[in-house]
Amino acid sequence: NAGVTQTPKFQVLKTGQSMTLQCAQDMNHNSMYWYRQDPGMGLRLIYYSASEGTTDKGEVPNGYNVSRLNKREFSLRLESAAPSQTSVYFCASSEAGVRNEQFFGPGTRLTVL
Amino acid sequence: AQSVTQLDSHVSVSEGTPVLLRCNYSSSYSPSLFWYVQHPNKGLQLLLKYTSAATLVKGINGFEAEFKKSETSFHLTKPSAHMSDAAEYFCLYSGAGSYQLTFGKGTKLSVIP
Repeated sequence: NAGVTQTPKFQVLKTGQSMTLQCAQDMNHNSMYWYRQDPGMGLRLIYYSASEGTTDKGEVPNGYNVSRLNKREFSLRLESAAPSQTSVYFCASSEAGVRNEQFFGPGTRLTVL
Repeated sequence: AQSVTQLDSHVSVSEGTPVLLRCNYSSSYSPSLFWYVQHPNKGLQLLLKYTSAATLVKGINGFEAEFKKSETSFHLTKPSAHMSDAAEYFCLYSGAGSYQLTFGKGTKLSVIP
């Protein structure tokens, strides 16, 4: 099993460009999450999907949109990238709900110039 | 709103000596609490979790944590540090019945040979 996979691993964008970060899990998990990690800030929840067909905002959703394409895949879209979105982005999944262990992907390092 | 405080941003110990990483939370809800470890340029891996069963929780690699409701604490300990323990550690709070997910800002553990 691959677990949680993320693409791309690295990306450089110019201000105003758009892009989609892809995430897939092969553990048949119901819940999926997107976080951003900034130095000294820990991880902050951007969006989550409790189950297929549902998505909700987390702590820092502004500037992002998500799509839960099916049970396996959960994508994060930046419509108009800004330098403040320079960060490392992690996708995670759990069986169902927040009381279960989350499994994390390897991350995407995004730089916005 | 809940918050999580990791009291030390950086802890340095000698190899073979005990490790103590501190985490306090503030919330009126019955929490689930987790400790995750992140090695450089990697995703997060679960060390242990508390979900209202035993208050002393044992995890992987010799780590354990004790949930103390009266002190609203969930400190992580290990009797004897190993070089491979050098990493960043994150405490995660999740609230009961909702998608409240809050990470602490992290504690970087250095292990001196």
